[in-house]
This record gives sequence, structure tokens and C-alpha cells, in this order.
Amino acid sequence: QQQVKQSPQSLIVQKGGISIINCAYENTAFDYFPWYQQFPGKGPALLIAIRPDVSEKKEGRFTISFNKSAKQFSLHIMDSQPGDSATYFCAAEGWGGSEKLVFGKGTKLTVNP
Amino acid sequence: EAQVTQNPRYLITVTGKKLTVTCSQNMNHEYMSWYRQDPGLGLRQIYYSMNVEVTDKGDVPEGYKVSRKEKRNFPLILESPSPNQTSLYFCASSERDRGHEQYFGPGTRLTVT
Repeated sequence: QQQVKQSPQSLIVQKGGISIINCAYENTAFDYFPWYQQFPGKGPALLIAIRPDVSEKKEGRFTISFNKSAKQFSLHIMDSQPGDSATYFCAAEGWGGSEKLVFGKGTKLTVNP
Repeated sequence: EAQVTQNPRYLITVTGKKLTVTCSQNMNHEYMSWYRQDPGLGLRQIYYSMNVEVTDKGDVPEGYKVSRKEKRNFPLILESPSPNQTSLYFCASSERDRGHEQYFGPGTRLTVT
């Protein structure tokens, strides 16, 4: 049972463009939604995270948009750069309950120069 | 430097030959876990540990064992490896088990022939 559905599986964007990765969940007990970035040959690293009390969080060129009613959240990468080429994982977990961290299947982003 | 280390980084072995992948963190984290990463399946949790001597199964525990005798170490044991355990393995640690950044190790690529 896949608890977090991530799309697309792969994404190719031109330098300077906007990259958008979407995730959806069903379990309303989830209340912490991190995104992890993984470069080839490395372990994943936390990129940005959001809690459902806000609808948007921005850190530099990276923005999470959160729609609680639709149970969807997305990562937007503005002015995408070749150095952003990596695999991105969305995830979800429940802060106070038994819902441990679960990951989406990942999106491989390629930013062409 | 705060980090999670894994050894070995690469391992080729044969079916049935017991092996151990070590994991160590220097951040005094309580929570540690093991994941496997397979193409198209994302990150799946194998086992996790809330603290010393406290371990529990994740989503795909079959064929694996773990132990947590010291806070900093969390080895993954494959008593009788099989080819379907060929994968990329990551150890991770965090302060607590909910709502905290997961710090991942560099990964161990295991091939079982």
C-alpha cells in the first residue's frame, strides 16, 4: 500500500525553467511533510519541510505548496539550474501518532544547460 | 563533522554467506533506521530503533536482522543473503522518531550472486 504517491517519475527541464513535483496522500494523520534531495552516489538529504498549519513555505528557489483539503503537496524549483539535477523524494509522517515516515517513489530531475 | 558512516560502501557476495553492514552516527541521535532503495520503489524502511536495545520491524524486514547495543551503532545483518536482497542500503539517524530531519549515510551497494 503506497501511502504517498509522487509524480512524475522523471522530469526534464531547461535551465531557468520551473520544476514542479507533486505528491498526494490519503492518511489524514500525516502532519509533517519533508522533501529530500539525493545526488548520484550520495544519501538523501533534507531539502525543505512543511507542516499543515501553513499553505506555503519558501527557502530560496525552493517552495513547498500544501493543499490540506486536497491532501496534496508539491515542490516548485524556480530558475532551475543544472546543479539541481538529482532525485527528489517527498515524504510524510505523523508527529504525535503512529504514522512513521513514508517516502514517495522519487522523481529524477534533469536540468539541461 | 556531524555524519552517519556506513561500511562497506560496496559489497559483492554469494548466496548464503552471512554479512554485516555497519552504521555509526556521531550526533548522539536516539532514532536510527535502515532503508533499501530499489529502482521504481523508492526508499523502504527495513528496521528501526528508537533507542538502545529497542528495535522494531519496518516495511520490509524479511531476511534482515539488526541490533542496537550502543547508541551510536546500528548494524544490519543478513544471515543468509539471497539475490533479491541486491540493493542500495542506507542507514539514517535523527534526534527523535517524529518530525525531525533524517541524516542519511552515504549508502552501501550490495550485490548478491
